[in-house]
Amino acid sequence: DAMVIQNPRYQVTQFGKPVTLSCSQTLNHNVMYWYQQKSSQAPKLLFHYYDKDFNNEADTPDNFQSRRPNTSFCFLDIRSPGLGDAAMYLCATSRGQFSEQYFGPGTRLTVT
Amino acid sequence: GDSVTQMEGPVTLSEEAFLTINCTYTATGYPSLFWYVQYPGEGLQLLLKATKADDKGSNKGFEATYRKETTSFHLEKGSVQVSDSAVYFCALSKAGSARQLTFGSGTQLTVLP
Repeated sequence: DAMVIQNPRYQVTQFGKPVTLSCSQTLNHNVMYWYQQKSSQAPKLLFHYYDKDFNNEADTPDNFQSRRPNTSFCFLDIRSPGLGDAAMYLCATSRGQFSEQYFGPGTRLTVT
Repeated sequence: GDSVTQMEGPVTLSEEAFLTINCTYTATGYPSLFWYVQYPGEGLQLLLKATKADDKGSNKGFEATYRKETTSFHLEKGSVQVSDSAVYFCALSKAGSARQLTFGSGTQLTVLP
């Protein structure tokens, strides 16, 4: 089945230690998104790639970066995680910018 | 700016009860409307969608009708099951908007046997 895959499902990192979360997709969608979701809240968009074009949300901290080496893969890098960055990180894809988005299962990040 | 307002939760129902989760939106133009469901510890799954006024989206016994006159997209199900326990998010997207998906705050549904 075509899908959005996120690895790992659970990630523990130390305060200030860089961490990378991974997302891959077999849907061949040209748009990929990263969201941060804290407990009992709606997902918050961090940034998205439209093909190779990177689009950062205005309020996304500089601590968060992303890479998309090819159509199938997208990475979220957190350069110096703080305790406030503990959250579920969701990757999503869509065909085109405003069609429905398909979400991966998420990576739950714990910062110790 | 665009916004989505959802019924406050949590909602607790008995199995086979009727479900309504209210959703209203504020947006100029003609947004597409979505309901996503999130089961515990999982990502969001698209439940149903509607792209124009009077469209009815339906899936797995859930329905929602795009009502432009009342700017609403209420989610309904005639008979809920324990397995429907999840968080439900109403969302909109609109061409030309800087934000891809605008989410409501989510409604936690618990169905008791």
